[in-house]
Amino acid sequence: AQSVTQPDIHITVSEGASLELRCNYSYGATPYLFWYVQSPGQGLQLLLKYFSGDTLVQGIKGFEAEFKRSQSSFNLRKPSVHWSDAAEYFCAGGGGSQGNLIFGKGTKLSVKP
Amino acid sequence: DGGITQSPKYLFRKEGQNVTLSCEQNLNHDAMYWYRQDPGQGLRLIYYSQIVNDFQKGDIAEGYSVSREKKESFPLTVTSAQKNPTAFYLCASSPMGVLQPQHFGDGTRLSIL
Repeated sequence: AQSVTQPDIHITVSEGASLELRCNYSYGATPYLFWYVQSPGQGLQLLLKYFSGDTLVQGIKGFEAEFKRSQSSFNLRKPSVHWSDAAEYFCAGGGGSQGNLIFGKGTKLSVKP
Repeated sequence: DGGITQSPKYLFRKEGQNVTLSCEQNLNHDAMYWYRQDPGQGLRLIYYSQIVNDFQKGDIAEGYSVSREKKESFPLTVTSAQKNPTAFYLCASSPMGVLQPQHFGDGTRLSIL
């Protein structure tokens, strides 16, 4: 069965430090992968998406993600975290026959001053 | 601006009562989705619709019902059969096709009185 796993429930980083959030997928074929961000009490906002081609994709707010087929991973990165990046981040995979997404359980990011 | 509007933002349900959550989009998207979000559980798909007058059950449809009489609207009814309805409910929409990311509303938080 298709699945998306985010191994880290909660991560804390210092402001200005680099960030990497992990995402692993289990799909039979090349998945379509997304990263979303959710602020408390809000909906989800799309950060970036990967469909094919260049394995390093750039998104909004200075985020990027790298697709690694050999590791079944699609990790999200940011070189320097800002306090406003504190939120919950969701990795999701698509490609199902019905067009629906499969979400990971999310990683909550806290930023220390 | 185009977007997805969910109302109300907060909703309270008495035992044995049905409640309906509204979701309206003006993005001209064909597909619409309802997700339930519980802490630490990520997003779980309740129902989705790819075309007017047609919809399919997701992973956790029991105790819920939907209708899709208009392209713009996809209301969700939480029935009295749903024994644990307290959650954050998110509506999303997307253009047709598996490559399309989903756009989310700001959610409705449902609580039991």
